[in-house]
Amino acid sequence: KNQVEQSPQSLIILEGKNCTLQCNYTVSPFSNLRWYKQDTGRGPVSLTIMTFSENTKSNGRYTATLDADTKQSSLHITASQLSDSASYICVVSAGSNSGYALNFGKGTSLLVTP
Amino acid sequence: KAGVTQTPRYLIKTRGQQVTLSCSPISGHRSVSWYQQTPGQGLQFLFEYFSETQRNKGNFPGRFSGRQFSNSRSEMNVSTLELGDSALYLCASSLGQISGLAGPYEQYFGPGTRLTVT
Repeated sequence: KNQVEQSPQSLIILEGKNCTLQCNYTVSPFSNLRWYKQDTGRGPVSLTIMTFSENTKSNGRYTATLDADTKQSSLHITASQLSDSASYICVVSAGSNSGYALNFGKGTSLLVTP
Repeated sequence: KAGVTQTPRYLIKTRGQQVTLSCSPISGHRSVSWYQQTPGQGLQFLFEYFSETQRNKGNFPGRFSGRQFSNSRSEMNVSTLELGDSALYLCASSLGQISGLAGPYEQYFGPGTRLTVT
């Protein structure tokens, strides 16, 4: 069964500190992995999309890594800001041009405090 | 460029009623996907439309249906509402060519419609 597990479920860090969120998946055949940021009451916003051949992708202070062998991804946030407080969702697509399935993690809730 | 818009933003319905939600994608985007988000289940994929054709469907009962018009605007309908249908319904659009969401295309989400079933 295709699954996506995110950890930790929630996290509290001080402003300015770094943090790393984890996403482990058992999805096959792997197509791509996406990280989204969702502020309370708003729709998710795409941070990164990675395909099988990519192992690192950055978007400002956000850096995602992908290890296709161990089926693990991480999202590293550098020098956190209060505006980083949000839910971070990992989504893994399985499939090909003929069809696909989306597998969602439950998300990590991040709170950045002053 | 205007983003994805969803109407209405908030809706309260009674069990047994039916509801129609609307989504207008970003101009030029032909792929529209719908999602349900609840605190317990998180995000779940409902269906995707591309050029008026349903391209993929999640594991939801037949009470959930959708359609896409020639201008790429999309609607989803939920009939015979149940209490468990209370959720945030999100719509997303993308350029999504043949491979849809299996491909590396950016998805742009709307703000969602908050549906409460009483």
